[in-house]
This record gives sequence, C-alpha cells and structure tokens, in this order.
Amino acid sequence: EAGVAQSPRYKIIEKRQSVAFWCNPISGHATLYWYQQILGQGPKLLIQFQNNGVVDDSQLPKDRFSAERLKGVDSTLKIQPAKLEDSAVYLCASSFRRTEKETQYFGPGTRLLVL
Amino acid sequence: QKEVEQNSGPLSVPEGAIASLNCTYSDRGSQSFFWYRQYSGKSPELIMFIYSNGDKEDGRFTAQLNKASQYVSLLIRDSQPSDSATYLCAVIHGSSNTGKLIFGQGTTLQVKP
Repeated sequence: EAGVAQSPRYKIIEKRQSVAFWCNPISGHATLYWYQQILGQGPKLLIQFQNNGVVDDSQLPKDRFSAERLKGVDSTLKIQPAKLEDSAVYLCASSFRRTEKETQYFGPGTRLLVL
Repeated sequence: QKEVEQNSGPLSVPEGAIASLNCTYSDRGSQSFFWYRQYSGKSPELIMFIYSNGDKEDGRFTAQLNKASQYVSLLIRDSQPSDSATYLCAVIHGSSNTGKLIFGQGTTLQVKP
C-alpha cells in the first residue's frame, strides 16, 4: 500500500512570496490533515478535510493560508504572502475515517525555509 | 497550561536499559492516546495507541494510561541505539468528534551504546 505522498520535499522562498504544497493521501482515506511542525515542537493541526469538506480550520491563519481538496482526494496548501515565522515542516496525514480511534498516517513532509 | 505536556529532554539511557517517557494532558474527557516516534528529519510514525486504563504491551513497548491522574507513559525495554528519536505523545479530546490530534512537544531519547 502506497503511503501519503507530498511534494515538494524542500522549498526556500523569500518573505512575501507565495508557495504551494501538494498532498496525495493513502487510497481510500476520506480524512486528510495538514499540520505545521516548527522546529522543537510537536505538529499543530492547520486544517482537516473530510472528503472535500472542511471539518476543522480553527488554527489556520486564514489571512495568508488557504487549502483545498476539490475532488476529495489530493489537497493543496498555499501560503501567500509568506512570513519568516512560517518556516517549518508542513506535514500531510490521512486516515480512513475521522473517528477518535482512527490512526493517522503521515507523509514525508515539506520543509519550508522563508528568508 | 499546555494541553499535552512532555519533558523535552534529552533523556539519555544506556543500551539495554528501560526508557520511560511521560506525558500529561489537561482535558479530563480525553479518550484516545497515541505515541508517535519521529526520527530526525523524518515524519512521525505511530508506535502505539491506548484507550483504556492500564497497560498495553507490544513487543518491547508498553503504554500505560491512568485517566484519573491524566497521565500516559511509554516504556521501552531493552533500549537500542536505533530507538534514539523524538517521541511524541498525542491526545484526542473527549469533546472532539473530528479525531483531531493534540500533540505534545516531544521527548528526545538518546540510547548510548
């Protein structure tokens, strides 16, 4: 079974530029999550999708971050404009369902450096 | 108070010893508890989950849950240098119907040969 795919793996941009990340979840997984992990901290949920609908985006900085999952499969996360404090690893995860006992499987992450 | 707290470490143990990793959480209604391992530069991978009070064993790993004390731990027996990583505790709140994971900051474990 193929795992969660993410691209790019690394990205370096200057502040105020825009950037987009892509995620392809495990086949058949209805729930998709985007996390931000700052160095030395645990992952923090940015947004959660159930199929193509948003379940939780309470911690997404909506003035600069946006995400979509149009067909209920792939997802993109965009930052525009980027700030220095956005430097982090952006992790995509998926699970079969969104219940409290469902295992989340993580992709390799995209490491973003904002200069 | 952080929702999920862990000692950032590093916790250093000799090879073959028992490593004990601890985690406390603030939401008394939390139902599900997970331990993820994260090697440097890699993504988190699930080691164990536990839902009920008591112990759950899987190979060299034992998860312990005490809901009354709001405390969950991970024991690693016969620690190996390959166990050196950051261990993340994650909790799903009882009020959550979305499966949202709240992570602690992680504990760095160093197993010395």
